[in-house]
Amino acid sequence: SAVISQKPSRDICQRGTSLTIQCQVDSQVTMMFWYRQQPGQSLTLIATANQGSEATYESGFVIDKFPISRPNLTFSTLTVSNMSPEDSSIYLCSAAPGTLETQYFGPGTRLLVL
Amino acid sequence: AQKVTQAQTEISVVEKEDVTLDCVYETRDTTYYLFWYKQPPSGELVFLIRRNSFDEQNEISGRYSWNFQKSTSSFNFTITASQVVDSAVYFCALTRSGYALNFGKGTSLLVTP
Repeated sequence: SAVISQKPSRDICQRGTSLTIQCQVDSQVTMMFWYRQQPGQSLTLIATANQGSEATYESGFVIDKFPISRPNLTFSTLTVSNMSPEDSSIYLCSAAPGTLETQYFGPGTRLLVL
Repeated sequence: AQKVTQAQTEISVVEKEDVTLDCVYETRDTTYYLFWYKQPPSGELVFLIRRNSFDEQNEISGRYSWNFQKSTSSFNFTITASQVVDSAVYFCALTRSGYALNFGKGTSLLVTP
């Protein structure tokens, strides 16, 4: 298994500002994933982050809005840029240690944009 | 493309009742992995089980059991003698190795005393 931590756990932000979310894994992993969960909805993949390469974004998500860094094999950040109330969601990171099969999730970052 | 359908949006049961959460999936991959996750009101996503496509053996863990049937593309989850602490949203998910998870819409389970 893996222990994944996220910071901050929650935040309230003003429209037009940016927030960077940090994700730390207790072991080295090849890929990390960022998901968004809008209120009352399921999880939607934002992007896949490989160490040493550009993140791969899903349809509907762009790098200018959600820049991602992956500086090493245990850490990643997701920035939500130029926020609007529609960005209010839970943002979760995940990783699959070992055999790339079972993904474990961080506790999530609850973001409210006013 | 992979797809997961959880047709039950909300289920409400009384404590000690048995409840089954349905999950139907679609994939063209011959090797794939199915999962169930629990999301309690606190929001974290808790891994419950992973099942490989080549292993159709059903599994039991305490009050939880899972029925995987490739013939019907289903991976159903049964909670026996439900408890209030089982109240949560349960997600079924599908993936292939090295890829992100494709989630169903989730089933919200409410267990009342």
